[in-house]
Amino acid sequence: DTEVTQTPKHLVMGMTNKKSLKCEQHMGHRAMYWYKQKAKKPPELMFVYSYEKLSINESVPSRFSPECPNSSLLNLHLHALQPEDSALYLCASSQDPGDQPQHFGDGTRLSIL
Amino acid sequence: RKEVEQDPGPFNVPEGATVAFNCTYSNSASQSFFWYRQDCRKEPKLLMSVYSSGNEDGRFTAQLNRASQYISLLIRDSKLSDSATYLCVVESGSARQLTFGSGTQLTVLP
Repeated sequence: DTEVTQTPKHLVMGMTNKKSLKCEQHMGHRAMYWYKQKAKKPPELMFVYSYEKLSINESVPSRFSPECPNSSLLNLHLHALQPEDSALYLCASSQDPGDQPQHFGDGTRLSIL
Repeated sequence: RKEVEQDPGPFNVPEGATVAFNCTYSNSASQSFFWYRQDCRKEPKLLMSVYSSGNEDGRFTAQLNRASQYISLLIRDSKLSDSATYLCVVESGSARQLTFGSGTQLTVLP
């Protein structure tokens, strides 16, 4: 079991749906990350939150909307996704921005119909 | 040119073999370097950091050559449990962002 918990583990949604991915950590980490990983490809950074504020957005389309309600939670709101957005979405956290290791959750496997 | 390039693999080796993975990076200003391991359908996990002086952790040895912008990972006496994808990871920029290589798949055969 990882110390970073992601829900749901699997999600299938249509292109017109709105859904949210959730990530939670109780390690007191002050940096949280969203990565996208396509099959047989490396994780690609999407967003970084530092002290609950968005510090990095890697030119991610606006149909992905991150939110950090508090220091333990990180959400990714999804709306009007495309089939090419189907991927594994990984959340990670670290003590401070840039610290190692980054602790990854199990990921949410997302399929867009 | 990709920011981080790795051996394409896959590597299929017998138990007990020694296997080496290579990685090159394009950003000469990169600050830190790591090897992560990712099991099939699982999350990446930090295996070890890589230092210029070289570092060893049990059967694993990592080397960094900043002049050549080259990183390596050596696994000695391979175990079945070493089967995984090994990701070369480079940290760059003021925000210390991680860039992952595409990974090298290792299968250790009985």
